[in-house]
Amino acid sequence: GAVVSQHPSWVICKSGTSVKIECRSLDFQATTMFWYRQFPKQSLMLMATSNEGSKATYEQGVEKDKFLINHASLTLSTLTVTSAHPEDSSFYICSATSQGTDTQYFGPGTRLTVL
Amino acid sequence: GDSVTQMEGPVTLSEEAFLTINCTYTATGYPSLFWYVQYPGEGLQLLLKATKADDKGSNKGFEATYRKETTSFHLEKGSVQVSDSAVYFCALGDQGGSEKLVFGKGTKLTVNP
Repeated sequence: GAVVSQHPSWVICKSGTSVKIECRSLDFQATTMFWYRQFPKQSLMLMATSNEGSKATYEQGVEKDKFLINHASLTLSTLTVTSAHPEDSSFYICSATSQGTDTQYFGPGTRLTVL
Repeated sequence: GDSVTQMEGPVTLSEEAFLTINCTYTATGYPSLFWYVQYPGEGLQLLLKATKADDKGSNKGFEATYRKETTSFHLEKGSVQVSDSAVYFCALGDQGGSEKLVFGKGTKLTVNP
């Protein structure tokens, strides 16, 4: 149980285009989802926290207009990287937690490469 | 702000060797502490946790004790196996872990037969 999936697992796009990454909780209802970014040999950096049905809360320094997060249902959150540039190339990881628990369940991550 | 510092890797051990991965933290308040493990090609999984001082988290032969006086949460295992090869992340969180987590950089462990 407590499986989180991400799609796609990797994506290559051209500079200036937008890319959408999906995060799904497969067997539980995720009241809160988190989006992280990981650079090579670096720790996971929290980008934003999203609660189902409300606007995401972004960490300091994260551009909310560039990284659009939608958490429209209890099993799906999406991260859209708008007008992507090469410096947005990274590993994006989501996690999910349900009400009443204190454990985050992580997706396998999405590798984004912007050419 | 809150931060986590963990031992730089990579760490390479022979099977049945003793493992220690150091982790120290800086935080206001009384955070919960976690160790997550990431096996090749998979997402992070919670390995163990401790929510207050002197608590010991344990799972799959791994242990870590929440030491408030030294602000540490070192991960140990008495006898590692090849299957323990993975990246280990130390993390802290507030309010029992349901809030956001702050991660260390991760330590890659390779266990050779």
